[in-house]
Amino acid sequence: AQSVTQLGSHVSVSEGALVLLRCNYSSSVPPYLFWYVQYPNQGLQLLLKYTSAATLVKGINGFEAEFKKSETSFHLTKPSAHMSDAAEYFCAVRKAAGNKLTFGGGTRVLVKP
Amino acid sequence: DTAVSQTPKYLVTQMGNDKSIKCEQNLGHDTMYWYKQDSKKFLKIMFSYNNKELIINETVPNRFSPKSPDKAHLNLHINSLELGDSAVYFCASSQERDPRDTQYFGPGTRLTVL
Repeated sequence: AQSVTQLGSHVSVSEGALVLLRCNYSSSVPPYLFWYVQYPNQGLQLLLKYTSAATLVKGINGFEAEFKKSETSFHLTKPSAHMSDAAEYFCAVRKAAGNKLTFGGGTRVLVKP
Repeated sequence: DTAVSQTPKYLVTQMGNDKSIKCEQNLGHDTMYWYKQDSKKFLKIMFSYNNKELIINETVPNRFSPKSPDKAHLNLHINSLELGDSAVYFCASSQERDPRDTQYFGPGTRLTVL
């Protein structure tokens, strides 16, 4: 079975500071990994995904994530937070041979001026 | 030119009623999904259809019945609504030739059961 754990249900950062959202997965095989963002009262939008090519993945809006197999992690970072980054962020995992996308519990990001 | 659309956006109804939520995608994708997001924002897949065929059916009460008239549409019918059905329901679609394919989500339908 595959599962995803996001450490910290809420993260508060100052505008201009580093954003770091943690995601760890458990899977019997190396999975594919996704980060989605959900702005208030909207659907989910893909930020980036790991598809077993480069381990450092760049996404939209200045976000990037690094796949670390040894740590079973796929943490999301952005060097400088912007007010518009305030949203809920979801890490998700999918097995190579499977079909189901399994989501973590989400991390709400609050950006302080 | 919305990619994945859902109607209605909000649905308020009484316990025991039957209601439907509609979903349409214009991306030409083969696979569509229904997800439920509870009040704690936890997202869980309910169903998935590929070319009108049910391929994922999670542990969901049989009061929930998906219907796919064609591969661009996936509707969700809920019978005998209960308080615990209150949630946001998201439709999604993907090309699904590859597990790396991105799923595109609709804006959600907020269902409130009174």
